[in-house]
Amino acid sequence: GQNIDQPTEMTATEGAIVQINCTYQTSGFNGLFWYQQHAGEAPTFLSYNVLDGLEEKGRFSSFLSRSKGYSYLLLKELQMKDSASYLCAVVDSNYQLIWGAGTKLIIKP
Amino acid sequence: DTEVTQTPKHLVMGMTNKKSLKCEQHMGHRAMYWYKQKAKKPPELMFVYSYEKLSINESVPSRFSPECPNSSLLNLHLHALQPEDSALYLCASSGPLHFGNGTRLTVT
Repeated sequence: GQNIDQPTEMTATEGAIVQINCTYQTSGFNGLFWYQQHAGEAPTFLSYNVLDGLEEKGRFSSFLSRSKGYSYLLLKELQMKDSASYLCAVVDSNYQLIWGAGTKLIIKP
Repeated sequence: DTEVTQTPKHLVMGMTNKKSLKCEQHMGHRAMYWYKQKAKKPPELMFVYSYEKLSINESVPSRFSPECPNSSLLNLHLHALQPEDSALYLCASSGPLHFGNGTRLTVT
């Protein structure tokens, strides 16, 4: 079967750094997405990785290791507005998007 | 501002009503999607249109009827819904996936 695992909930402090991990086992791999979703709102695209390595975009970075079936999303200089759910999603060999359950990130002052 | 526009933002309908959700994108994407999302769950794929043709129907009940009039528009026609159909309905186009703001649907 296809499976994506990410922690259910994480807590971090304003101004700090947090890393949200995602491991996957899918039938094929054609890329991995990270989305941010605030409660009651639609998901917002954050990053897309298809090759191994680190992609940096402002305060957010995303890393991929295809051999390990592993990705992480790194958030720096955390702000209160970063409190949200973060969804990991993998594109499989049929170009279907397989979603993780999401990680709820709580930022404390 | 989102590049995928959905209307209405909120919809309350009775179980005997007929309503439609609308989605529009002008990014030239040739694939468009309908997702359903319940609280604290990831989005669930309902339909995929590729080049204006229905390519995926994830065994969605017939009370949901999609329509793709052209490459920029996607509709979801609703009829005889059940209270358990209450959810956030998301339209998206790709790639990568860009979501609209969603329609919050409540069935009474």
